[in-house]
Amino acid sequence: DVKVTQSSRYLVKRTGEKVFLECVQDMDHENMFWYRQDPGLGLRLIYFSYDVKMKEKGDIPEGYSVSREKKERFSLILESASTNQTSMYLCASSFPDRGTYEQYFGPGTRLTVT
Amino acid sequence: GQNIDQPTEMTATEGAIVQINCTYQTSGFNGLFWYQQHAGEAPTFLSYNVLDGLEEKGRFSSFLSRSKGYSYLLLKELQMKDSASYLCAVPNTGFQKLVFGTGTRLLVSP
Repeated sequence: DVKVTQSSRYLVKRTGEKVFLECVQDMDHENMFWYRQDPGLGLRLIYFSYDVKMKEKGDIPEGYSVSREKKERFSLILESASTNQTSMYLCASSFPDRGTYEQYFGPGTRLTVT
Repeated sequence: GQNIDQPTEMTATEGAIVQINCTYQTSGFNGLFWYQQHAGEAPTFLSYNVLDGLEEKGRFSSFLSRSKGYSYLLLKELQMKDSASYLCAVPNTGFQKLVFGTGTRLLVSP
């Protein structure tokens, strides 16, 4: 079974802090994704990585950066957390050459910025 | 680009049948996904349709009409545990990413 894990289920940070969210997958997937999910807005893609050190901006990259130094690990960084970044953050991974584009999700990190 | 529409919320009674619709507009089509997401949890894969027609998996079935840009998820013999959000998604033009609808929140009552 594919397993995608995230470093924290719940996180509370203060405005201005630098925040790191970690995601690890154990299925050797090339693609990894970071989403945020807010009521009424659905899942929105922040960043996408298709290989080690390769990244692509999603729909809402402002205020975020990412790092992918190893294939299994994809980190989301909030350089200076703000209250409007309070949200549920979901990591996902996929194997692009299997003929489907199914994404496997981690359990999510609920981040509160105060 | 892609555009996906689904109803925001639906209610149904335990034991009943419910149909959740999804319409999409996409410049290139390569299948449609349905995911289930319980409150506070991660989305989990339900189905993937790439050809027209109905695919059945136990109590859940998914239908696709590519010519109409339309899909539905059919849930039979509803149970309380089916209360969740149901997300419709299609691959984007490059097929590497998924574009998600905002989800349909289903509430099953006794």
